[in-house]
Amino acid sequence: DTGVSQNPRHKITKRGQNVTFRCDPISEHNRLYWYRQTLGQGPEFLTYFQNEAQLEKSRLLSDRFSAERPKGSFSTLEIQRTEQGDSAMYLCASSLSGGGTNYEQYFGPGTRLTVT
Amino acid sequence: AQKVTQAQTEISVVEKEDVTLDCVYETRDTTYYLFWYKQPPSGELVFLIRRNSFDEQNEISGRYSWNFQKSTSSFNFTITASQVVDSAVYFCALRPNTGGFKTIFGAGTRLFVKA
Repeated sequence: DTGVSQNPRHKITKRGQNVTFRCDPISEHNRLYWYRQTLGQGPEFLTYFQNEAQLEKSRLLSDRFSAERPKGSFSTLEIQRTEQGDSAMYLCASSLSGGGTNYEQYFGPGTRLTVT
Repeated sequence: AQKVTQAQTEISVVEKEDVTLDCVYETRDTTYYLFWYKQPPSGELVFLIRRNSFDEQNEISGRYSWNFQKSTSSFNFTITASQVVDSAVYFCALRPNTGGFKTIFGAGTRLFVKA
């Protein structure tokens, strides 16, 4: 297993455009998480999925953001009408679940978004 | 409130020195999990350790050791005989048992190890 992968690694877009990022988790992991990280800060939770169900969304996730995990495998995060404040690193992580144990999350390399 | 504080923004040491990174957390949950992650210049967060709130035993893994003290809500991380490859940003994180599976990260401590 090669770990969590994310595409693209970098994205530069103009304000007002839509962007979509993809995350492929570790294959046996049924939980998938999205975080946003700005310069000098720790990752901030955005949302998470258990299989294909989106179970929690942060208040940070405005109406312009939507995430899907249609078949319980890969996930996409779309940002509509991007704003300069959306510029950040978007991190995906995955983990096992079961038995009430909080398994550690394994992170992908991230997608760096720059909105000009 | 659930919160993680890493008061040290940056630390600079010379190779072979020992260094301790501080982490203080806040939660009202009695069951929770604590983590440390390393983020090297390449950017990918690397999991280092997980500790649950019922296990206060200190842990050592090679040059790394962790000191969990529930009485002071601290989970400090020590690197012994630091090496240049230890240069990275280190994040402490908290996952309370309530409120879903949101993990709360501290702002990180940037460690510079000079040769």
